[in-house]
Amino acid sequence: SQELEQSPQSLIVQEGKNLTINCTSSKTLYGLYWYKQKYGEGLIFLMMLQKGGEEKSHEKITAKLDEKKQQSSLHITASQPSHAGIYLCGADMGGGSNYKLTFGKGTLLTVNP
Amino acid sequence: EAGVAQSPRYKIIEKRQSVAFWCNPISGHATLYWYQQILGQGPKLLIQFQNNGVVDDSQLPKDRFSAERLKGVDSTLKIQPAKLEDSAVYLCASSLDRGFRSPLHFGNGTRLTVT
Repeated sequence: SQELEQSPQSLIVQEGKNLTINCTSSKTLYGLYWYKQKYGEGLIFLMMLQKGGEEKSHEKITAKLDEKKQQSSLHITASQPSHAGIYLCGADMGGGSNYKLTFGKGTLLTVNP
Repeated sequence: EAGVAQSPRYKIIEKRQSVAFWCNPISGHATLYWYQQILGQGPKLLIQFQNNGVVDDSQLPKDRFSAERLKGVDSTLKIQPAKLEDSAVYLCASSLDRGFRSPLHFGNGTRLTVT
């Protein structure tokens, strides 16, 4: 079974709308990254979260790691076509010396102008 | 700073042939990773190097895949012989050090098609 579940799998929104993508783990998350990927390209680092309750923002994108550290959400405000792509969460599923970065399957975001 | 460089960008081979991918990480990055990303899936770690030593290769199909990182800088990933199910994007990434506090920086990947 997938260690990191992302929802929804895909999302189509109208430009200017807000949206939220979720990343859920069945295990405690020792740290979580959000990346963005455009078709045919590598992953672009967006932000990292480590502490429960931590929230970070970059431009119109905000990500939060919940208190119990088993779920993270990524929120985009007033979406633009430039936000389109695949959003992937990646988490350290081992912790400490057992560091092991695992990725979810991704959420495909389409923003219609 | 220059990013992670990978070559080739695309490769088409027939099954049972061999193929090699090359990666040049960001200068000064001690940790290097190879990931396999099948269409519609998230990246799956194949192998992780710390300098020129292997840290984790538990998910590398060692009967056909091999990787090396000579002198702790560039790395090559080889598949011999290739199977149809090896069709995927092979991503190389590097980080300053091993551990969560060092985010991974990815190259643009090599798209492999096995026919």
